[in-house]
Amino acid sequence: AQKVTQAQTEISVVEKEDVTLDCVYETRDTTYYLFWYKQPPSGELVFLIRRNSFDEQNEISGRYSWNFQKSTSSFNFTITASQVVDSAVYFCALSDGWSGNQFYFGTGTSLTVIP
Amino acid sequence: GAGVSQSPSNKVTEKGKDVELRCDPISGHTALYWYRQSLGQGLEFLIYFQGNSAPDKSGLPSDRFSAERTGGSVSTLTIQRTQQEDSAVYLCASNAGGLSYNEQFFGPGTRLTVL
Repeated sequence: AQKVTQAQTEISVVEKEDVTLDCVYETRDTTYYLFWYKQPPSGELVFLIRRNSFDEQNEISGRYSWNFQKSTSSFNFTITASQVVDSAVYFCALSDGWSGNQFYFGTGTSLTVIP
Repeated sequence: GAGVSQSPSNKVTEKGKDVELRCDPISGHTALYWYRQSLGQGLEFLIYFQGNSAPDKSGLPSDRFSAERTGGSVSTLTIQRTQQEDSAVYLCASNAGGLSYNEQFFGPGTRLTVL
């Protein structure tokens, strides 16, 4: 069965610290897609990144980086030099090609960056 | 450009009443999703539409919940005989083509409070 686990419920860091948000997934399919979304206090989820199962290359976008490792079924998200504006709930999600396009979301990690 | 819109933004109702929540997806997006987010929880999948049909209704929590989509555009989620446990934020999302690799675009949500 498809499942996404975000074991970290809440994380607090001091501004400028680096922080890594963990995401572990389960799927029986060989073709699947992984996503990260940010939900700021305003409430609207914002798409951050998508990776497909055939591309394990890590990605960096500014202060954000993502580490995809199929061997451990993980898709971790690192924020470097965190800022107060990074405070939000972050969701990891999985979608595969065979389950009717359903998206499976983790329970989210609430990140608080303390100034 | 216009994003996903939802109405009302807030709804307070009395236990036992029926409510209708509306979602306007991004123009041209064929897939539409409804999720429920209870306080401090992750996203619970409710139903998915591809065009006007709903191939996956597995997430609807009870027969009090129903949804329809007409004209491949607007969708309405109806909750009959509301209960206090229905209180949550109801999120709608759409994506282009309903393909599993397309990221979802989320609306701002409807916050439902059942007294």
